[in-house]
Amino acid sequence: AQKITQTQPGMFVQEKEAVTLDCTYDTSDPSYGLFWYKQPSSGEMIFLIYQGSYDQQNATEGRYSLNFQKARKSANLVISASQLGDSAMYFCAMREGRGGSEKLVFGKGTKLTVNP
Amino acid sequence: DAGITQSPRHKVTETGTPVTLRCHQTENHRYMYWYRQDPGHGLRLIHYSYGVKDTDKGEVSDGYSVSRSKTEDFLLTLESATSSQTSVYFCAIGPQVGQPQHFGDGTRLSIL
Repeated sequence: AQKITQTQPGMFVQEKEAVTLDCTYDTSDPSYGLFWYKQPSSGEMIFLIYQGSYDQQNATEGRYSLNFQKARKSANLVISASQLGDSAMYFCAMREGRGGSEKLVFGKGTKLTVNP
Repeated sequence: DAGITQSPRHKVTETGTPVTLRCHQTENHRYMYWYRQDPGHGLRLIHYSYGVKDTDKGEVSDGYSVSRSKTEDFLLTLESATSSQTSVYFCAIGPQVGQPQHFGDGTRLSIL
């Protein structure tokens, strides 16, 4: 079974509008972390936002926020006021356990296109 | 930018030849990782290291080996490259649990 599921292969949004990218996860470990990364067409992986399983509040970083619904096992990324530069692949990833290594499992990604 | 350098950035080689990719960091981070990225699969962990000479397997380790003789260098070796190992390879470093991994710019490897 997939541990990270991103059900939207592609998404389109108009510039200046908000968009939500979906991510669901599967784990039985009470301690885990969820990450979102952006990969523009140039190829680099850019860290956007992190949510820990014990964090009481949803994470926010500038125009990025994470809609964390623990009971539903979802960690959706919300981008407010989309910009043309937001066009990229977006990956959700999960870290399980409190172990010393931070092994990540990635979803297959969502390609976001921002239209002018 | 996190101080991570991958070399080479691009490589084309033939089936059956050995290939070594290098990841060099200047951040003195304990954890280092090698991932591969293929269309439709996202990133998948190949091997990781939690210290000098301490390494372990990831999800897709078959056909790959790694070594870490110094904190700053993590080498990925394909002993006998196959066409199925054509991919983009990313190195990542991580300071500690709860902190995000930072990625190098990737190595595009083509095996003909």
